[in-house]
Amino acid sequence: DTEVTQTPKHLVMGMTNKKSLKCEQHMGHRAMYWYKQKAKKPPELMFVYSYEKLSINESVPSRFSPECPNSSLLNLHLHALQPEDSALYLCASSQEGGGSRKKLFFGSGTQLSVL
Amino acid sequence: AQKITQTQPGMFVQEKEAVTLDCTYDTSDQSYGLFWYKQPSSGEMIFLIYQGSYDEQNATEGRYSLNFQKARKSANLVISASQLGDSAMYFCAILTNSGYALNFGKGTSLLVTP
Repeated sequence: DTEVTQTPKHLVMGMTNKKSLKCEQHMGHRAMYWYKQKAKKPPELMFVYSYEKLSINESVPSRFSPECPNSSLLNLHLHALQPEDSALYLCASSQEGGGSRKKLFFGSGTQLSVL
Repeated sequence: AQKITQTQPGMFVQEKEAVTLDCTYDTSDQSYGLFWYKQPSSGEMIFLIYQGSYDEQNATEGRYSLNFQKARKSANLVISASQLGDSAMYFCAILTNSGYALNFGKGTSLLVTP
């Protein structure tokens, strides 16, 4: 069983819609991540939060807006997306520090389709 | 810069046989960690095994072992006694001291046949 919970599992939205992806973990991890994964490709890092503060933004378009309300929750707000944004969005968490502490625990992802 | 290369887009193995998935990396950092993840068709990324650059022993986790050759910058995953449930995508990833998150290779699709 995954200890990182993502909702919803599937999402279909139009290009003018606003939606949010949610992620929750209760492992006490202080680093949380959003990855985007296209079919048959590796996950690509989007954002990193460390101690609830955004520490890394991998030049992601502003139509993706992350939010970390507290140490257990991570949201990704979506607005005016394009069809090419259709992908699997994976949330992950880890301990802070280096080495094996950076082992990522992933949620099962949200499969997003933009029409 | 840190880079991971997985040269095998797809692999087949017969049930109960062993299989080796290749991974080479490139980094100028002396301290780094190598991770292997499995991604079944359900989509979830499952952690398999970790090897630190200063670890003297090759990592093992049940049927998974890592053939770590530091001088050759390779970290191949060995799966022993393959099972049908091992059919999945397998990703190798690296984290260096100068990195802030795992950097993944392109992956290898493994199919285990009866």
